[in-house]
Amino acid sequence: DADVTQTPRNRITKTGKRIMLECSQTKGHDRMYWYRQDPGLGLQLIYYSFDVKDINKGEISDGYSVSRQAQAKFSLSLESAIPNQTALYFCATSERDSTDTQYFGPGTRLTVL
Amino acid sequence: SQQGEEDPQALSIQEGENATMNCSYKTSINNLQWYRQNSGRGLVHLILIRSNEREKHSGRLRVTLDTSKKSSSLLITASRAADTASYFCATLFSGGYNKLIFGAGTRLAVHP
Repeated sequence: DADVTQTPRNRITKTGKRIMLECSQTKGHDRMYWYRQDPGLGLQLIYYSFDVKDINKGEISDGYSVSRQAQAKFSLSLESAIPNQTALYFCATSERDSTDTQYFGPGTRLTVL
Repeated sequence: SQQGEEDPQALSIQEGENATMNCSYKTSINNLQWYRQNSGRGLVHLILIRSNEREKHSGRLRVTLDTSKKSSSLLITASRAADTASYFCATLFSGGYNKLIFGAGTRLAVHP
């Protein structure tokens, strides 16, 4: 089984809808991250959480919110989706160590019409 | 702004050739990592080099780090079509709230 899973893998929605993307991990890592990737570009950090009670905004948090329900679960919500949020979304995890080596989920492809 | 910037943005080579990608960064780092992304998939960690190291090898991968120039290079030797992917460098600042900062990536195409 995959260590970092994301659901759904693909989602098409309409402008104004609320969307939740979920991430679960079995690696036992404390740190979890949400990234956005636009076609042909690098990763932009949306939110990150160093433990259940420590949640921080990243570079592009506007229009997004998160919930860290447990060590293993980190959800990303789009309260009112807009077309320019169409992108590939990745969840990642890392250990609480000195390297921050990250392990990525397979991604969620989100299309907002 | 992104900490690491890769060069070139895109690289096209033939199978068997070597591929070299470069990464430059702006501030002091704890470590620098290289990741690979196959089209539309999650990134996969390839190799990590610490600030006190100058060179590391892993299979066909060779990474160098020059902290005086704030730059790193990733060399893939004897490339294969399966090496076709995007390659990202990521840097960890040496101070502050430590988390990786990813560059924009180099798209590598290896033609049979």
